[in-house]
Amino acid sequence: ETGVTQSPTHLIKTRGQQVTLRCSSQSGHNTVSWYQQALGQGPQFIFQYYREEENGRGNFPPRFSGLQFPNYSSELNVNALELDDSALYLCASSLEIAGNEQFFGPGTRLTVL
Amino acid sequence: GESVGLHLPTLSVQEGDNSIINCAYSNSASDYFIWYKQESGKGPQFIIDIRSNMDKRQGQRVTVLLNKTVKHLSLQIAATQPGDSAVYFCAAPTDSWGKLQFGAGTQVVVTP
Repeated sequence: ETGVTQSPTHLIKTRGQQVTLRCSSQSGHNTVSWYQQALGQGPQFIFQYYREEENGRGNFPPRFSGLQFPNYSSELNVNALELDDSALYLCASSLEIAGNEQFFGPGTRLTVL
Repeated sequence: GESVGLHLPTLSVQEGDNSIINCAYSNSASDYFIWYKQESGKGPQFIIDIRSNMDKRQGQRVTVLLNKTVKHLSLQIAATQPGDSAVYFCAAPTDSWGKLQFGAGTQVVVTP
């Protein structure tokens, strides 16, 4: 176990709805990254937070947003859900910046109908 | 452009044999590479990494080889076991903050 937890495990939403996914980082880790993993593909970087500030994002539209809290837990919010948003959403926590191992949570499986 | 990709989508290996998983990359600026293992229903798990100033690194039953000339790295698993059945990804950071770019993955199936 990596010490990174995510909730919920599974979620079913309908197109147009909004969803919030949660991640609890490993103790002491101040950096969290979110990834989207479509079925049969590798994870795609969504964005990263460092000490509550967004620290870069990948090629995802603004309807994907996030928050990181003082205790370093974080949220991923997706508005106006589309069918293609169906995927496994992974968060990964790390200490400080590059060169440090990222620890992944088990993911949240989101299905959009 | 930057890309990290794998050659084979599925690798079938007999238990006890060695496995070799290959990965090609295009970004010469990547200074380290990472191999992850993802079992069904779980997040990626770090296996081993290698810095760009190294050609080879060994771990427990795993060896990663890096050939910078042809921009290729491989993961070798010795004496493959049923517990090694999983999808294996190579990944590389795209910036100094460690944002990772992953390949599509290779499914390793260990047969008795």
